[in-house]
Amino acid sequence: ETGVTQSPTHLIKTRGQQVTLRCSSQSGHNTVSWYQQALGQGPQFIFQYYREEENGRGNFPPRFSGLQFPNYSSELNVNALELDDSALYLCASRHTNSGANVLTFGAGSRLTVL
Amino acid sequence: AQSVTQLGSHVSVSEGALVLLRCNYSSSVPPYLFWYVQYPNQGLQLLLKYTSAATLVKGINGFEAEFKKSETSFHLTKPSAHMSDAAEYFCAVSDNFGNEKLTFGTGTRLTIIP
Repeated sequence: ETGVTQSPTHLIKTRGQQVTLRCSSQSGHNTVSWYQQALGQGPQFIFQYYREEENGRGNFPPRFSGLQFPNYSSELNVNALELDDSALYLCASRHTNSGANVLTFGAGSRLTVL
Repeated sequence: AQSVTQLGSHVSVSEGALVLLRCNYSSSVPPYLFWYVQYPNQGLQLLLKYTSAATLVKGINGFEAEFKKSETSFHLTKPSAHMSDAAEYFCAVSDNFGNEKLTFGTGTRLTIIP
């Protein structure tokens, strides 16, 4: 597997702005999850999509939203950015034929909010 | 709610020495347990997983972990450390009901001393 590709790798925003992070998975990866990893912390589950519908959400406010597309790509959108949103955002996908929870992670998008 | 606790945010071992990274879990249902490794500027890579089959799980790069229900532990070991093992290691737990959500620990940074 060549893995999961995320873009951009780094970006800087200011408080109140909106950001869209993108993720591209491989064919057959019908499940995609997004995680937030703050500095020095483990990743925290934001939400999961399966066949273009959200089917699980962590403890994140509604200003965190997502989309999954038929071409195995997905987006994470964050509105009204806050300083605490500064983190590494990880996309993870799973192939339909993979075992449960066998996720392939991308390298992440590092967001800095000033 | 499920959780994992990783004891020791930083561990240093000499090259060739035993690697032991500790993880204790809390779960109200039989858990699935995972160890992931994160190299600088890369995504998380699955080392191994426990899904209620054999209690001793062998993973990639010579790592293994033993599930001990009586101790609620899932410690990661490697008999002989290599310089290439230097990375951040995360223990994670999920339930076994098809939920893809992973709950991660705060991570242990492993340093290898030449």
